[in-house]
Amino acid sequence: SQQGEEDPQALSIQEGENATMNCSYKTSINNLQWYRQNSGRGLVHLILIRSNEREKHSGRLRVTLDTSKKSSSLLITASRAADTASYFCATDRTSGTYKYIFGTGTRLKVLA
Amino acid sequence: DTAVSQTPKYLVTQMGNDKSIKCEQNLGHDTMYWYKQDSKKFLKIMFSYNNKELIINETVPNRFSPKSPDKAHLNLHINSLELGDSAVYFCASSHVAGAIAYEQYFGPGTRLTVT
Repeated sequence: SQQGEEDPQALSIQEGENATMNCSYKTSINNLQWYRQNSGRGLVHLILIRSNEREKHSGRLRVTLDTSKKSSSLLITASRAADTASYFCATDRTSGTYKYIFGTGTRLKVLA
Repeated sequence: DTAVSQTPKYLVTQMGNDKSIKCEQNLGHDTMYWYKQDSKKFLKIMFSYNNKELIINETVPNRFSPKSPDKAHLNLHINSLELGDSAVYFCASSHVAGAIAYEQYFGPGTRLTVT
C-alpha cells in the first residue's frame, strides 16, 4: 500500500533553532495530518491541513501543503528540548475509506 | 479523563498462546482503529471500524480478530501468537463526516512481546 515518507529520517538541532521536516506522498488526499510521538507513548495529533489549504499555523508550528508536488512540510520554530520526539505525517486517500497512511517518521532531537 | 485507553500496557507471552487487547474511547467517536508499530517505528493500520462495522482490514492474518461490541470499544484478539507479532499495538479513534476522517486520538499502546 502507499505510504508517506518523511525527510530527513533523523534531525539533531540546538535549542532555539528551527526544525523543518518534510513529507511526500503518492496519491490524491482529502487532508494531511502531522503527529508527534514521544518515546514509549502514543501519537498526539498536532495539526490537520486540508487539500484546499496551503498553509496553517498552530503556536510554534507551521505546516505547508503543496498538492501539486504531493508534499508537506512541518516547521517548528524556536525549538525546545521538550520537542524531542518522532514526527509523523499521515494522509488519507480521497477514496473515502477513513484510512490514514502514516509516513516513516522523522526523529527530532533538540539539544539543550 | 483518559480519552483512549488500552489494556494491558505490557503483554509478554509465549508462542502459540491466544491473547486479547482491549480498547475503549470516551470521546463519542464513531470510528476506531488498530495500528501495529514495528521495531523500526513504522506504523501500519490493521483494522478500522465505523459504527461497529468493519470497514478496513489490511491483509492482516486471520489469527487477528477484532471485535467491536459497541461504538466505544474495539478489542483485538490474537490466536496462535508468533514471534513476528511482537510489536506495539495502538488503538485510535476519530470522528468521521461523510467520506472524511478527522484527527485521530491514540491510546498509550500495548507492547506485546512473544517469546
